[in-house]
Order: sequence, then structure tokens, then C-alpha cells
Amino acid sequence: QSVLTQPPSMSAAPGQQVTISCSGTSSNIGNNYVSWYQQLPGSAPKLLIYENNKRPSGIPDRFSGSKSGTSATLGITGLQPGDEADYYCGTWDASLSAGRVFGGGTKLTVL
Amino acid sequence: EVQLLESGGGLVQPGGSLTLSCAASGFSFNSYTMNWVRQAPGKGLEWVSVISFNGRSTYYADSVKGRFSISRDNSKNTLFLHMRRLRAEDTAVYYCAKEDGDYYFDHWGQGTLVTVSS
Repeated sequence: QSVLTQPPSMSAAPGQQVTISCSGTSSNIGNNYVSWYQQLPGSAPKLLIYENNKRPSGIPDRFSGSKSGTSATLGITGLQPGDEADYYCGTWDASLSAGRVFGGGTKLTVL
Repeated sequence: EVQLLESGGGLVQPGGSLTLSCAASGFSFNSYTMNWVRQAPGKGLEWVSVISFNGRSTYYADSVKGRFSISRDNSKNTLFLHMRRLRAEDTAVYYCAKEDGDYYFDHWGQGTLVTVSS
């Protein structure tokens, strides 16, 4: 059981938008940056968002991140079939010796 | 271009040992903290271990503490994970990941599969 809570699954139609939540506590999200990762089927994870809302070069602006209090959100607009993937949030947790934690992941289905 | 290439995975019996390697290129390996992250079949990501840029600091997830050891050879741009007393629940794809900034992983390898079974 992860210290970061994500919905196990979500679905939306092509062209629509979706928001994926990541809920934590003051020991993790509340006081630290959040990152988001996309894992396409059969592939390694890829960094989508870092420091709550920054996109690495090459990540389209259809992907966005935000944080409020002890929760973070990944937003995807203009959904495409190629966005069907697992999405994970990550952060630092001060209550753990090495701190690095991931959410349980959200499987996004593009109908 | 940053590249991380894991190797060393395979089938091992419970109680056995295995060492994973991750060959890095395309960046100043000796300047970055490196991690191992694993993913059991059909499951989510689990952080396993981290080593500082100079190898002086290491940390482990409770699930592997005392059994796994992380190390690096900066002269060969290579990261290692020494795994012993392996259990069935250690079966997973193991990824090496480069860490940047505030604890995020900006580059990942393709992963290597470790299967612990008799």
C-alpha cells in the first residue's frame, strides 16, 4: 500500500480531458515537489512533469501538473489513443529513511 | 543523449544471489545520484535503493534492507545492485533511474527482468 493514493483506473474518450489525482500528507506532498511519470504498455516509465508543474523538453503542453495542499493533479487535454498508459505520481516523504515514494498508479483507458 | 542500459537479470532460485548492472552514457555519471526502481508483474513502481554521486551515501527500501547492496564504479560509468537471499516476491523488472533536482527521475533504463523461482 503506497503512501500516495491514486485512483486505480480512469477512462475518457479521445479529444476529452482528464485529471488524475494523487493524494498524500504533510510529510510528503504537502511539503515537497511532485513528479509524474507515464508508462506505456511494455515500456519503461518516462518523466512527464517535475517540480509540480514543469514539463521536460519534448513533453507536449497537453500535459500539465498542479499541486494544492497535500494533493497533486495531472491534467491531460485533447486525449489521444497514444495516451493510454499507466500514470504514477512521485515525491519525497520525510517520514521514510530515503524518502522516495511513488503512488500506486492509475491506468488510463482512452475509449 | 542519456542512455541507461541494465543487464544481469535472469532466473534464480529462492535464496540465491544475482548482480544487476546499469551502464550509463551521455551525461556526467559521477555527478548524479542514481536509483534502482522495480516493478513486479502487473504491479506498480516500487523504489528500491539510491546511491549518492560519490557512492558515500546509500539507502534501501525496508523490503530489501540487509539483502540488497547498491554500488557504483564512476570510472566505468556503471551502477550495480547486488541482490542476495532472493525471495519469490523479489520477482520484478528492475530499472535504473537517474535522479535530478528534487527527487525526480529524469531518465530510466529499459529494465531487466529478475525471476525468483525454483
